[in-house]
Parts: sequence; structure tokens; C-alpha cells
Amino acid sequence: GAVVSQHPSRVICKSGTSVKIECRSLDFQATTMFWYRQFPKQSLMLMATSNEGSKATYEQGVEKDKFLINHASLTLSTLTVTSAHPEDSSFYICSASGRIGNTIYFGEGSWLTVV
Amino acid sequence: QKEVEQDPGPLSVPEGAIVSLNCTYSNSAFQYFMWYRQYSRKGPELLMYTYSSGNKEDGRFTAQVDKSSKYISLFIRDSQPSDSATYLCAMSETSQAGTALIFGKGTTLSVSS
Repeated sequence: GAVVSQHPSRVICKSGTSVKIECRSLDFQATTMFWYRQFPKQSLMLMATSNEGSKATYEQGVEKDKFLINHASLTLSTLTVTSAHPEDSSFYICSASGRIGNTIYFGEGSWLTVV
Repeated sequence: QKEVEQDPGPLSVPEGAIVSLNCTYSNSAFQYFMWYRQYSRKGPELLMYTYSSGNKEDGRFTAQVDKSSKYISLFIRDSQPSDSATYLCAMSETSQAGTALIFGKGTTLSVSS
């Protein structure tokens, strides 16, 4: 079964609004969670790395004020896309790294469509 | 030069064929190598995890790492239509929690019945 749960799986929002995506690790404590973005037929692009209890580390070119990441507990990280625009429409995937041999597991992904 | 190169395909094979998927990389510090399978509109699923050079077998899947050539492979025996997916190679320098993976672009595989 899934070890990382991501919600919602699909969301449509209006341009200018904010959307929150949750990533939960099931049955294990995720000391680190990663957020990726994937465009159609493209690979996963790392957006940011979040460690529980500290600020996220963003990759170059990713706006930290636009993509707010909160990792408040060892089982939950959230990504909030603020003031969403149509170009933010994409597949967002989280992954969690914990203490299962440090293997990284992925969530099911969230499709965001901004209209 | 990108850190990880992977031919995006698509690769089409008949059911029962042996499939070979490959990635090359440039960073000699990579030690941990993974293969993920991603079905359309789903998150990646971990298939194989190997450390350093050598082979690892799991059912119909064999992962092979050749660090001297900076080349990794995934072999699928007796391929099935259900194997149709995108296969992503990934690698990292350490296994420490917090180490991000570097992904290839993924190879799209189609197995016809």
C-alpha cells in the first residue's frame, strides 16, 4: 500500500487564488520531504526540500514567496501555491525520506489546473 | 552536459520480449541508484534500489550498475502489457535522509499484447 499520501489528487482553481496541497507520510516519520513539479512528457524537477521544523530549501529559479512550504510535523508537509496563474498548472509530486533505509517514496501526485 | 541522460523513447515491444532500459551519468560521486515506474497521471513507484556496482534481481526485473562506465540498466524479462509505463532512473551521492535524487527524463515503454 501507499506509504506517502498526497491530497488533493486533482484541483482546479481560479487565477489569483491560492491552493494548498498536503503530503503525509504513513507509518513512518519523514524527516525530509521533497516537492517536485512535472510537466507533460518531462522529468521531475525538484522545487524544494523541506526538513521538519526548519525552513525549506528552494532550488534555483523557484519563487519561495509563491510556493510556500510548511513541514510542521514529521508526517505532514504542505505546499501552497499562492496567487496561482495558468502557467502554474502542472503535476505536483511530493516524496518523503525517512528511516526506512532512507529510501525515498513518492505520493500519488496532485494535478493543478489554474483557469 | 546534464548529470543524468536517459533516452525518452518511446520504446515499443511485443508481449514476452526482454526490455532493456538505460541511463548514463556524469557525476562519479553517485553511489545509490534507483529505478522508478510511473504510470500515466500517477506518482512514481520505486522498483529497484541498488548501491554501487553490480546486479540486483527482483522477479522479472534486474538492475545493473557499471560505475566504471557510469552506466545503469534495468532489464525486464517476459514483458507484460501492464509494464507499459514511464521508467525513470534516479541516483544520489548518499543515502542520507535529505539527499535529493537526480532523475533522468524517463523512458516511455509500451508493451503490446
